[in-house]
Amino acid sequence: AQSVTQLGSHVSVSEGALVLLRCNYSSSVPPYLFWYVQYPNQGLQLLLKYTSAATLVKGINGFEAEFKKSETSFHLTKPSAHMSDAAEYFCAVSDRQAAGNKLTFGGGTRVLVKP
Amino acid sequence: ETGVTQSPTHLIKTRGQQVTLRCSSQSGHNTVSWYQQALGQGPQFIFQYYREEENGRGNFPPRFSGLQFPNYSSELNVNALELDDSALYLCASSPGTSGSQETQYFGPGTRLLVL
Repeated sequence: AQSVTQLGSHVSVSEGALVLLRCNYSSSVPPYLFWYVQYPNQGLQLLLKYTSAATLVKGINGFEAEFKKSETSFHLTKPSAHMSDAAEYFCAVSDRQAAGNKLTFGGGTRVLVKP
Repeated sequence: ETGVTQSPTHLIKTRGQQVTLRCSSQSGHNTVSWYQQALGQGPQFIFQYYREEENGRGNFPPRFSGLQFPNYSSELNVNALELDDSALYLCASSPGTSGSQETQYFGPGTRLLVL
């Protein structure tokens, strides 16, 4: 069974500082990997996904993530935080060998941006 | 293009009651997935429907059931409600053409409170 671990349930960054959110997966076969963002009282919005092309994936709103098979990681970064980045971020995986596209999510990391 | 919509937005029920939640998928999408997101946690997969057939189920009891209609809209039914069923219920749709790498598009969710 696949699992996803997000280190740090809360992260506080200053506006303009680097945002780094950690995600590690556990799977016998490297899965497809996704990062979603959830703003208060809203559903989830896709930031980016890794589907076996380039290991460095660029997404919306200046976010990017790098797939590292040796570390079973898919950490999300943004060079300079903006106040509008305050939200909850979820890493998710889907089994590339499965017929459907069920997502398994991590527990989420809430980002607070300080002025 | 209309995104994923869900109704109602909020709902209050008492233990033992039954509830039906509704979801309209994005235009052109034939796959619908349902997730339960308890407070402070990541979403958990309930089940998925593809072209009106169940296409995978998570670790939820049979009192959680669903339907997908010919227009690909969907319902989630929960019988004999328990206090732990209080959560945000998210519906997500996807085109159903690219398997497990496919992006899921989420609705805003229905927040259910069981008293």
